[in-house]
Amino acid sequence: NAGVTQTPKFRVLKTGQSMTLLCAQDMNHEYMYWYRQDPGMGLRLIHYSVGEGTTAKGEVPDGYNVSRLKKQNFLLGLESAAPSQTSVYFCASMGTGWRETQYFGPGTRLLVL
Amino acid sequence: GEDVEQSLFLSVREGDSSVINCTYTDSSSTYLYWYKQEPGAGLQLLTYIFSNMDMKQDQRLTVLLNKKDKHLSLRIADTQTGDSAIYFCAESCGSARQLTFGSGTQLTVLP
Repeated sequence: NAGVTQTPKFRVLKTGQSMTLLCAQDMNHEYMYWYRQDPGMGLRLIHYSVGEGTTAKGEVPDGYNVSRLKKQNFLLGLESAAPSQTSVYFCASMGTGWRETQYFGPGTRLLVL
Repeated sequence: GEDVEQSLFLSVREGDSSVINCTYTDSSSTYLYWYKQEPGAGLQLLTYIFSNMDMKQDQRLTVLLNKKDKHLSLRIADTQTGDSAIYFCAESCGSARQLTFGSGTQLTVLP
């Protein structure tokens, strides 16, 4: 099992450009999440999904969109990147059992100039 | 809304015990977690405790939960230089058990 993988690992964008971050999991998990981590801060939830075809807003959703067309994939889109979106983005997934925990991907470093 | 707070820095000598503290606000949290993050790396789950427990021990790690004060602590016994990292406390709540993280405690282990 690869667990949770993220593509790309690192990206540099210019202000106004768009991009999509891909998260994939091979554990058949229902729940998937996107977080961002800024210096000196913990992770903050951007969007999440409780199953294929569903999405919901987290704490900091503005400027991002998500899609969960396939159960194993959760895409995070930036339509018009801003320097404030420079961050490290982490994806996570989790099963629905009551003892389940979130498994995190390795992160994507995004720099918006 | 939920809020999780941690002190920012902790320094200890190698071989001593480390205690990292955390306070949270949401009394409906089902699980509370401790994650470790080394420089440039992702998050590693260290341990977690269910909200109806007071203590959990796992080798060198001891988690104490005081539900009345909404206080969580992580004790690392015999701290080693390899334990130097940022430690995050997180609470789980909401329909999808979303995590709310503290800002992290930078643990520095001095030789």
